Amino acid sequence: AQSVTQLDSQVPVFEEAPVELRCNYSSSVSVYLFWYVQYPNQGLQLLLKYLSGSTLVESINGFEAEFNKSQTSFHLRKPSVHISDTAEYFCAVSTSETSGSRLTFGEGTQLTVNP
Amino acid sequence: DVKVTQSSRYLVKRTGEKVFLECVQDMDHENMFWYRQDPGLGLRLIYFSYDVKMKEKGDIPEGYSVSREKKERFSLILESASTNQTSMYLCASSLFRVPVTEAFFGQGTRLTVV
Repeated sequence: AQSVTQLDSQVPVFEEAPVELRCNYSSSVSVYLFWYVQYPNQGLQLLLKYLSGSTLVESINGFEAEFNKSQTSFHLRKPSVHISDTAEYFCAVSTSETSGSRLTFGEGTQLTVNP
Repeated sequence: DVKVTQSSRYLVKRTGEKVFLECVQDMDHENMFWYRQDPGLGLRLIYFSYDVKMKEKGDIPEGYSVSREKKERFSLILESASTNQTSMYLCASSLFRVPVTEAFFGQGTRLTVV
């Protein structure tokens, strides 16, 4: 069975400060990892994903995440946040188990960027 | 662009009613999912389906059923709605059965059971 834990339910930061949103997963097989973002009153959008290859993945709007197999983590980082980054962020995992593939989400982290 | 469409954005139903939530995707995806989203609990998987007429229970299937008669359509059914089923319901689809390499979400249906 797979599971995801997001270690912070709320992260308040000031504009232009760096931020890290933490995500740990549990799985006994190979994993695929995702970060999704949900802006107020909108659906979920994919921010970035790790499928294979380089352990550092980046999004088009300056976020990055690093797959750390030994620590079973996939933390999301941004060196300088904007007001517009205020949203809820969800970490998710899927596996290659042939019994049926599911996408499991964490509890979410509310990022609030203050001026 | 992939489009996942949920039939209603907002729905109000009475306790005991049978409720149907419809979801349609337009990209011939194999997998479809139903989640409910509640504050502090994230997204919890109710059911998923990897083929027509196939369904698998997720983490919280009690009180729900699903139907997938056509590849593009996945319906969530609340057999007898209860107030604790008041929630945001999200439908998603992904291209391959295994693994899920990316999922596309609908806008969500906010269901209130009174």
